[in-house]
Amino acid sequence: EAGVAQSPRYKIIEKRQSVAFWCNPISGHATLYWYQQILGQGPKLLIQFQNNGVVDDSQLPKDRFSAERLKGVDSTLKIQPAKLEDSAVYLCASRISGGWNTGELFFGEGSRLTVL
Amino acid sequence: EDKVVQSPLSLVVHEGDTVTLNCSYEVTNFRSLLWYKQEKKAPTFLFMLTSSGIEKKSGRLSSILDKKELFSILNITATQTGDSAVYLCAVGLYAGGTSYGKLTFGQGTILTVHP
Repeated sequence: EAGVAQSPRYKIIEKRQSVAFWCNPISGHATLYWYQQILGQGPKLLIQFQNNGVVDDSQLPKDRFSAERLKGVDSTLKIQPAKLEDSAVYLCASRISGGWNTGELFFGEGSRLTVL
Repeated sequence: EDKVVQSPLSLVVHEGDTVTLNCSYEVTNFRSLLWYKQEKKAPTFLFMLTSSGIEKKSGRLSSILDKKELFSILNITATQTGDSAVYLCAVGLYAGGTSYGKLTFGQGTILTVHP
Protein backbone atom coordinates (compact mmCIF):
# COMPACT_ATOMS: atom_id res chain seq x y z
CA GLU A 1 0.00 0.00 0.00
CA ALA A 2 1.44 3.37 -1.00
CA GLY A 3 1.95 5.81 1.85
CA VAL A 4 1.28 9.52 2.13
CA ALA A 5 3.27 11.36 -0.52
CA GLN A 6 4.58 14.88 -0.04
CA SER A 7 6.64 17.25 -2.15
CA PRO A 8 8.96 18.99 -2.23
CA ARG A 9 11.02 17.37 0.52
CA TYR A 10 13.12 20.48 1.04
CA LYS A 11 12.62 24.13 0.19
CA ILE A 12 14.73 27.19 0.95
CA ILE A 13 13.25 30.61 0.31
CA GLU A 14 13.79 34.17 1.42
CA LYS A 15 11.36 35.93 3.69
CA ARG A 16 8.39 37.50 1.93
CA GLN A 17 8.55 34.91 -0.86
CA SER A 18 5.81 32.35 -1.35
CA VAL A 19 5.93 28.55 -1.25
CA ALA A 20 3.51 25.69 -1.85
CA PHE A 21 3.53 22.14 -0.55
CA TRP A 22 1.64 19.23 -2.03
CA CYS A 23 0.22 16.14 -0.37
CA ASN A 24 -1.35 12.99 -1.76
CA PRO A 25 -2.93 10.91 1.02
CA ILE A 26 -3.38 7.17 1.17
CA SER A 27 -6.08 6.03 -1.23
CA GLY A 28 -9.48 5.95 0.43
CA HIS A 29 -8.51 8.15 3.37
CA ALA A 30 -11.14 10.83 3.69
CA THR A 31 -9.49 12.80 6.48
CA LEU A 32 -6.37 14.83 5.75
CA TYR A 33 -4.30 16.94 8.13
CA TRP A 34 -1.52 19.48 7.77
CA TYR A 35 0.77 19.83 10.76
CA GLN A 36 3.62 22.28 11.36
CA GLN A 37 6.55 20.94 13.35
CA ILE A 38 9.11 23.49 14.50
CA LEU A 39 12.46 22.08 15.55
CA GLY A 40 12.31 20.70 19.08
CA GLN A 41 8.53 20.83 19.30
CA GLY A 42 5.67 18.44 18.70
CA PRO A 43 3.54 18.78 15.56
CA LYS A 44 0.90 21.51 15.68
CA LEU A 45 -2.29 21.10 13.69
CA LEU A 46 -2.78 23.76 11.03
CA ILE A 47 -5.81 22.46 9.19
CA GLN A 48 -7.97 19.35 8.95
CA PHE A 49 -10.08 18.33 5.95
CA GLN A 50 -12.88 15.80 5.76
CA ASN A 51 -13.14 15.01 2.05
CA ASN A 52 -12.93 18.48 0.51
CA GLY A 53 -14.43 20.36 3.45
CA VAL A 54 -12.51 22.10 6.24
CA VAL A 55 -13.24 20.65 9.69
CA ASP A 56 -10.76 22.66 11.75
CA ASP A 57 -8.51 25.54 10.74
CA SER A 58 -8.50 27.36 14.06
CA GLN A 59 -4.69 27.42 14.29
CA LEU A 60 -4.01 28.32 10.67
CA PRO A 61 -2.51 31.84 10.33
CA LYS A 62 -5.00 32.84 7.68
CA ASP A 63 -3.30 36.11 6.82
CA ARG A 64 -0.47 34.16 5.19
CA PHE A 65 -1.39 30.48 5.07
CA SER A 66 -3.99 28.87 2.86
CA ALA A 67 -4.85 25.27 2.05
CA GLU A 68 -7.22 23.51 -0.26
CA ARG A 69 -8.33 20.01 -1.13
CA LEU A 70 -10.40 20.58 -4.21
CA LYS A 71 -11.43 17.07 -5.21
CA GLY A 72 -11.20 15.47 -1.79
CA VAL A 73 -7.91 13.76 -2.59
CA ASP A 74 -4.72 15.82 -3.06
CA SER A 75 -4.11 18.90 -0.96
CA THR A 76 -1.94 21.98 -1.28
CA LEU A 77 -0.68 24.19 1.54
CA LYS A 78 0.54 27.66 0.58
CA ILE A 79 2.44 30.29 2.53
CA GLN A 80 2.50 33.83 1.20
CA PRO A 81 4.44 35.83 2.26
CA ALA A 82 6.76 33.65 4.31
CA LYS A 83 8.29 34.80 7.59
CA LEU A 84 11.41 33.57 9.35
CA GLU A 85 9.28 31.85 12.00
CA ASP A 86 7.65 29.68 9.32
CA SER A 87 10.84 27.61 9.12
CA ALA A 88 9.61 24.15 10.06
CA VAL A 89 8.73 20.73 8.74
CA TYR A 90 5.24 20.60 7.28
CA LEU A 91 3.73 17.17 7.81
CA CYS A 92 0.74 15.86 5.95
CA ALA A 93 -1.21 13.00 7.49
CA SER A 94 -4.29 11.05 6.58
CA ARG A 95 -6.60 8.52 8.15
CA ILE A 96 -9.62 6.49 7.28
CA SER A 97 -12.86 8.24 8.08
CA GLY A 98 -14.90 7.16 11.02
CA GLY A 99 -14.41 7.03 14.74
CA TRP A 100 -11.21 6.95 16.65
CA ASN A 101 -11.34 3.18 16.92
CA THR A 102 -9.49 3.36 13.66
CA GLY A 103 -7.72 6.46 14.79
CA GLU A 104 -4.12 6.14 13.80
CA LEU A 105 -2.78 8.78 11.47
CA PHE A 106 -0.41 7.92 8.66
CA PHE A 107 2.19 10.60 8.10
CA GLY A 108 4.13 11.62 5.03
CA GLU A 109 7.89 12.22 5.15
CA GLY A 110 7.34 15.95 5.52
CA SER A 111 8.44 19.05 3.66
CA ARG A 112 11.25 20.94 5.36
CA LEU A 113 11.03 24.70 4.85
CA THR A 114 13.88 27.06 5.61
CA VAL A 115 13.12 30.78 5.42
CA LEU A 116 16.21 33.02 5.22
CA GLU B 1 -6.89 25.25 26.00
CA ASP B 2 -6.04 21.59 25.42
CA LYS B 3 -2.62 20.62 26.78
CA VAL B 4 -0.45 17.56 26.36
CA VAL B 5 2.79 17.56 28.35
CA GLN B 6 5.55 15.01 28.06
CA SER B 7 8.40 14.34 30.44
CA PRO B 8 11.28 14.15 30.52
CA LEU B 9 12.10 16.31 27.51
CA SER B 10 15.24 14.30 26.92
CA LEU B 11 16.78 11.15 28.26
CA VAL B 12 20.18 9.53 27.74
CA VAL B 13 20.64 5.86 28.65
CA HIS B 14 22.86 2.90 27.81
CA GLU B 15 21.85 -0.19 25.92
CA GLY B 16 20.02 -2.64 28.12
CA ASP B 17 18.48 0.01 30.35
CA THR B 18 14.73 0.29 30.88
CA VAL B 19 13.09 3.66 30.35
CA THR B 20 9.72 5.14 31.21
CA LEU B 21 8.33 8.06 29.28
CA ASN B 22 5.45 10.09 30.66
CA CYS B 23 2.56 11.89 29.05
CA SER B 24 -0.04 13.90 30.95
CA TYR B 25 -2.97 15.65 29.41
CA GLU B 26 -5.59 18.22 30.18
CA VAL B 27 -8.15 18.26 27.38
CA THR B 28 -11.85 18.40 26.74
CA ASN B 29 -13.62 15.58 24.92
CA PHE B 30 -10.90 12.95 25.30
CA ARG B 31 -11.23 10.02 22.92
CA SER B 32 -7.87 8.27 22.80
CA LEU B 33 -4.16 8.59 23.48
CA LEU B 34 -1.59 7.65 20.88
CA TRP B 35 2.17 7.15 20.96
CA TYR B 36 4.39 7.74 17.96
CA LYS B 37 8.10 7.22 17.33
CA GLN B 38 9.83 9.83 15.20
CA GLU B 39 13.29 9.31 13.80
CA LYS B 40 14.62 11.73 11.22
CA LYS B 41 11.41 11.51 9.24
CA ALA B 42 7.67 11.07 9.67
CA PRO B 43 6.23 9.83 12.97
CA THR B 44 5.34 6.15 12.97
CA PHE B 45 2.47 4.77 14.99
CA LEU B 46 3.17 2.70 18.11
CA PHE B 47 0.02 2.40 20.22
CA MET B 48 -3.48 3.72 20.61
CA LEU B 49 -5.06 3.57 24.08
CA THR B 50 -8.68 4.22 24.85
CA SER B 51 -9.35 2.32 28.08
CA SER B 52 -7.78 2.76 31.50
CA GLY B 53 -5.60 0.07 32.97
CA ILE B 54 -5.25 -2.12 29.90
CA GLU B 55 -1.63 -2.53 28.91
CA LYS B 56 -0.72 -2.66 25.26
CA LYS B 57 2.49 -4.45 24.32
CA SER B 58 4.61 -4.74 21.25
CA GLY B 59 7.90 -6.51 21.74
CA ARG B 60 9.96 -4.51 24.22
CA LEU B 61 7.53 -1.60 24.22
CA SER B 62 4.44 -1.33 26.37
CA SER B 63 2.03 1.41 27.31
CA ILE B 64 -0.81 2.00 29.70
CA LEU B 65 -3.39 4.73 30.21
CA ASP B 66 -4.85 6.14 33.44
CA LYS B 67 -7.95 8.15 32.57
CA LYS B 68 -8.59 9.09 36.19
CA GLU B 69 -5.19 10.66 36.72
CA LEU B 70 -4.98 11.79 33.06
CA PHE B 71 -1.67 10.30 32.07
CA SER B 72 -0.02 7.55 30.13
CA ILE B 73 3.40 5.92 30.28
CA LEU B 74 5.46 4.29 27.58
CA ASN B 75 7.96 1.69 28.77
CA ILE B 76 10.87 0.41 26.76
CA THR B 77 12.81 -2.50 28.23
CA ALA B 78 16.28 -3.69 27.22
CA THR B 79 16.83 -0.56 25.14
CA GLN B 80 18.83 -0.73 21.93
CA THR B 81 20.57 2.00 19.93
CA GLY B 82 17.79 1.68 17.37
CA ASP B 83 15.34 2.96 19.97
CA SER B 84 16.99 6.39 19.79
CA ALA B 85 14.27 8.72 18.53
CA VAL B 86 11.75 11.34 19.57
CA TYR B 87 8.71 9.76 21.19
CA LEU B 88 5.53 11.74 20.70
CA CYS B 89 2.36 11.46 22.70
CA ALA B 90 -0.87 12.68 21.14
CA VAL B 91 -4.40 12.90 22.41
CA GLY B 92 -7.33 12.29 20.09
CA LEU B 93 -10.19 14.65 20.74
CA TYR B 94 -13.81 14.17 19.89
CA ALA B 95 -14.80 17.16 17.80
CA GLY B 96 -18.29 18.40 18.50
CA GLY B 97 -20.97 16.10 17.16
CA THR B 98 -18.80 14.41 14.59
CA SER B 99 -16.38 11.56 14.69
CA TYR B 100 -13.75 13.49 12.77
CA GLY B 101 -11.73 14.34 15.83
CA LYS B 102 -8.32 15.92 15.95
CA LEU B 103 -4.95 14.96 17.38
CA THR B 104 -3.09 17.26 19.77
CA PHE B 105 0.58 16.44 20.29
CA GLY B 106 2.94 16.90 23.19
CA GLN B 107 6.40 18.34 22.64
CA GLY B 108 8.07 14.96 22.57
CA THR B 109 10.76 13.16 24.56
CA ILE B 110 14.17 12.80 22.91
CA LEU B 111 15.60 9.39 23.79
CA THR B 112 19.27 8.69 23.13
CA VAL B 113 20.56 5.17 23.69
CA HIS B 114 24.34 4.78 23.82
CA PRO B 115 26.03 1.45 23.05
